[in-house]
Amino acid sequence: EVQLVESGGDLVQPGGSLRLSCAASGFTFSDYVMGWVRQPPGKGLEWVAAISVTGTTAYYADSVKGRFTISRDNSKNTVSLQMNSLSAEDTALYYCAKDWGVNSCYDFWGQGTLVTVSS
Amino acid sequence: DIQMTQSPSTLSASVGDTVTITCRASQSLSKWLAWYQQKPGKAPKLLMYRASTLEDGVPVRFSGSGSGTEFTLTISGLQPDDFATYYCQQYNSYPWTFGQGTKVEVK
Repeated sequence: EVQLVESGGDLVQPGGSLRLSCAASGFTFSDYVMGWVRQPPGKGLEWVAAISVTGTTAYYADSVKGRFTISRDNSKNTVSLQMNSLSAEDTALYYCAKDWGVNSCYDFWGQGTLVTVSS
Repeated sequence: DIQMTQSPSTLSASVGDTVTITCRASQSLSKWLAWYQQKPGKAPKLLMYRASTLEDGVPVRFSGSGSGTEFTLTISGLQPDDFATYYCQQYNSYPWTFGQGTKVEVK
């Protein structure tokens, strides 16, 4: 059974940093692109970032480019999102998601971890 | 970036109705479009990929069509479990983008 478990969400002050992690199990992690999608409270889905199977290529939404960094550790079956220079607009539930294949849609999602940016 | 526009934003319907949600892209996606269902407090669930291919386990009352820039999701014979919010997502080119969502509510 595929499982994605996010952690690291917290209350952080504007300008601060936070690192999210996602632990994956139930599939061959190193075979799949992984991504992060966020959802502000009461709002729609926003794609954030994705990372290639080897971790050598990353893609970002314009809204986070230069501030967020996605990475993966295939030996530990984890994908992470380092978030810097956080602002209130980054407040959201952050979902980790497994790509259906390679650069495709997302067939499995975690339950999300909440990031709140507020003073 | 590719912009995705869903309509309507809200749809009021009754059990047994057939409902259609439309998603338009700002440029051609070929068939690289997915549909998701999301219920309150839950993660999104993949319903359809490649515009019209049903994900395993999704009831056949869900169907998708379209290519290029215009796509539709149809639910034939709405069931109580189908009241939810639906999102389209393009995966033709990064950055991936979602539609703003369509909430299907009880009439």
